[in-house]
Amino acid sequence: DAKTTQPPSMDCAEGRAANLPCNHSTISGNEYVYWYRQIHSQGPQYIIHGLKNNETNEMASLIITEDRKSSTLILPHATLRDTAVYYCIVRTSDSWGKFQFGAGTQVVVTP
Amino acid sequence: ETGVTQTPRHLVMGMTNKKSLKCEQHLGHNAMYWYKQSAKKPLELMFVYSLEERVENNSVPSRFSPECPNSSHLFLHLHTLQPEDSALYLCASSQVRWLAEPNEQFFGPGTRLTVL
Repeated sequence: DAKTTQPPSMDCAEGRAANLPCNHSTISGNEYVYWYRQIHSQGPQYIIHGLKNNETNEMASLIITEDRKSSTLILPHATLRDTAVYYCIVRTSDSWGKFQFGAGTQVVVTP
Repeated sequence: ETGVTQTPRHLVMGMTNKKSLKCEQHLGHNAMYWYKQSAKKPLELMFVYSLEERVENNSVPSRFSPECPNSSHLFLHLHTLQPEDSALYLCASSQVRWLAEPNEQFFGPGTRLTVL
């Protein structure tokens, strides 16, 4: 599976949009981009995933560049409860469903 | 119960003890996973079970012994652990469909293990 690069940390003001970048320059054509988050000492929580097209759900939006070498997770109106470590992962469907987690981005939402 | 449950939530054990961690998924999934998360480190995949067969063992020491008696239950048997094995142990499940769009994994809350 392709390696991803994320900034180690970022701050966001409550109520503002949080834009979390992820670079995956070696991504293959059949690899999906997944985002998870982990609130302190809890299990990771699925947020969203995509292949080529931009995706949106009730939690976030995922913007994937046309060359698929990078993506951005957007939390449209950050709340204090969005403070967590956010993981960007790329993987294929033929890998027993396993995820390779990196260090992620520590997002701190401040009042 | 819904989702993925893990028991116990906290466990303190000595290096000579034998204990087991339990995971149960109520989602009808066909794959289950054990992860280890040490302090300030990324999650490390330990074991993967698909259709109750172990399909991956990521060089985990033999003092960790997994067991998957059926598709809903996964155990991690622990014996003669070391203090450096203290970590958050996470269980996850997913529905794996070969060569189809990969489904997300659902994680349990984890067991916080302390080895004295």
